[in-house]
Amino acid sequence: GENVEQHPSTLSVQEGDSAVIKCTYSDSASNYFPWYKQELGKRPQLIIDIRSNVGEKKDQRIAVTLNKTAKHFSLHITETQPEDSAVYFCAASRGGTSGTYKYIFGTGTRLKVLA
Amino acid sequence: GAVVSQHPSRVICKSGTSVKIECRSLDFQATTMFWYRQFPKKSLMLMATSNEGSKATYEQGVEKDKFLINHASLTLSTLTVTSAHPEDSSFYICSATLLGENSPLHFGNGTRLTVT
Repeated sequence: GENVEQHPSTLSVQEGDSAVIKCTYSDSASNYFPWYKQELGKRPQLIIDIRSNVGEKKDQRIAVTLNKTAKHFSLHITETQPEDSAVYFCAASRGGTSGTYKYIFGTGTRLKVLA
Repeated sequence: GAVVSQHPSRVICKSGTSVKIECRSLDFQATTMFWYRQFPKKSLMLMATSNEGSKATYEQGVEKDKFLINHASLTLSTLTVTSAHPEDSSFYICSATLLGENSPLHFGNGTRLTVT
């Protein structure tokens, strides 16, 4: 079945440094890749997404890159701040027949930004 | 826009009883809603896809008779955990998209279920 692998599971960086989280998906028909941030006790919130017809997307300190050939996509956070500390999830989605579709999530990365 | 509300946020029940969790899209219509289960410090595991007016699609390994899903309207999906056991204790969270496939998921606030 569909699978999304995410690495690393934990990541500690100094404030101001960059953080990179990587995901690999198995379903070659996946065409939408969102990233979510989940703070403790709260619901996941979308931070950035990318579609399969784009190789890179940037939003201020956050960027996502996609390599369709290798079925890899990555989240890049620059100039990290303590408030970036949270669990980050990647996901992959594909459109299905008869309007069916679903989102499969990676295993999550716990990011700690050290002040 | 795209607010998803989930109720209750916490519930404690005794083994053998059933618990119903509601997921509502407050400001949009959701023909499809997704139910996830999240274990402590773990990922979001897709349990089932709830389709308005039709039967839910369950993921492999999820017992459909144990986790009953009903999507009777465009704004409401319910998950009923039947004959709950302590191992059903978990965080259940629903989600929906405003624009359909290949668009962001909007999550409810989740339900912490504890079965004693």
